[in-house]
Amino acid sequence: EVLLVQSGAEVKKPGAAVKISCKVSGYTFIDHYIHWVRQAPGKGLEWMGLVHPEDGETIETEKFQNRVYMTADTSTDTAYMEVTGLTSDDTAIYYCATALRGMRLLGGMDVWGQGTTVTVS
Amino acid sequence: EIVMTQSPATLSLSPGERATLSCRASDNVGTNLAWYQQKPGQAPRLLIYDASTRATGIPARFSGSGSGTDFTLTISSLQSADFAVYYCQQYNAWPPYSFGQGTKLELK
Repeated sequence: EVLLVQSGAEVKKPGAAVKISCKVSGYTFIDHYIHWVRQAPGKGLEWMGLVHPEDGETIETEKFQNRVYMTADTSTDTAYMEVTGLTSDDTAIYYCATALRGMRLLGGMDVWGQGTTVTVS
Repeated sequence: EIVMTQSPATLSLSPGERATLSCRASDNVGTNLAWYQQKPGQAPRLLIYDASTRATGIPARFSGSGSGTDFTLTISSLQSADFAVYYCQQYNAWPPYSFGQGTKLELK
């Protein structure tokens, strides 16, 4: 069974950083991008970026460059996303996701983590 | 940056009716478009990718069409489980691979 299991909920102060993990199982980690998507309370989905676990290459939305860092640890099949300089606008559910129907797909994610709630207050 | 605009924001229908949801891209995305369904408290679920291909396990009553800038998700005969929020996402060459703002499909 393919699973993406994320770390638990976090409460952070403004200005702090948070690091969320996404441990995968059931497929070859290095073959598929890990995407990160967030959803503020009552709002829509926002694509943040992706990491290629094989070589660590990342693509981030411009608004998150220099504030969001995506990494992958191939020894533990775990992806991480760190968000720094938190503000109340970063309060959201953060999802990791991947597209297993092919290799290195940029969208159409068919497997999602359960989400990690981050509250900045 | 490509902006995705979904319409309508809310669609009120009854079970058995046909639902037509629209998604428009601000620039040509070819057929690099996906549709997702999201229910309260759940992660999104992929319905359609490459504009018209149903994902694994998705019932045949869901269909997608379109290319370029205009796309449609059709649910041929609504079932109670289909009332949810639907998002489109483009994944053409350049990031961000943006989502639309969503269409809420609600029970009339």
